[in-house]
Amino acid sequence: EAEVAQSPRYKITEKSQAVAFWCDPISGHATLYWYRQILGQGPELLVQFQDESVVDDSQLPKDRFSAERLKGVDSTLKIQPAELGDSAMYLCASSQTGNTEAFFGQGTRLTVV
Amino acid sequence: DQQVKQNSPSLSVQEGRISILNCDYTNSMFDYFLWYKKYPAEGPTFLISISSIKDKNEDGRFTVFLNKSAKHLSLHIVPSQPGDSAVYFCAASVGSNYQLIWGAGTKLIIKP
Repeated sequence: EAEVAQSPRYKITEKSQAVAFWCDPISGHATLYWYRQILGQGPELLVQFQDESVVDDSQLPKDRFSAERLKGVDSTLKIQPAELGDSAMYLCASSQTGNTEAFFGQGTRLTVV
Repeated sequence: DQQVKQNSPSLSVQEGRISILNCDYTNSMFDYFLWYKKYPAEGPTFLISISSIKDKNEDGRFTVFLNKSAKHLSLHIVPSQPGDSAVYFCAASVGSNYQLIWGAGTKLIIKP
């Protein structure tokens, strides 16, 4: 069964260091999302891509976060420098164009120490 | 300002009984609603959805009810099974803007 692949599953980094997450969506899914989920809260959208273009990054802290999807397939989310408050689960999801139902990867649990 | 609210952080139900999870929303422009289920250390999994043109959608043991006048939806699981123990998220979107707005989740515990 097709699934969204994310790596790494877990990441521990020191504050002020750079960290990157990778996501490979389900084949054929043009829409890709990066979410951040803090324990006890619902997922918060950071950025949404349609193919290689950013559709919505209004909630992305652009001073330290960046995201790219250069060839419209896999995507990378980067944080530089990481702060203690960035500790969270980072979820990638994908969907077919025009379909709200998104399929999620297993996420990357980031701990900043 | 939370546009989607799940006011019960947790719910405990006996196996075999009905589980009812509730969700309220404030934005009357929302016209599509989804429920996701999440196990620990995994990403959310889509469960069931409903469009605002309907007031009920059923899929096996899962039924979602929508009350537009009250801006309220609920997910019914019957009968509840141990594997249903998870966090359930309610999410909503507005028309062609497919960004989902999520509730904080309700942790469902099914007791044997």
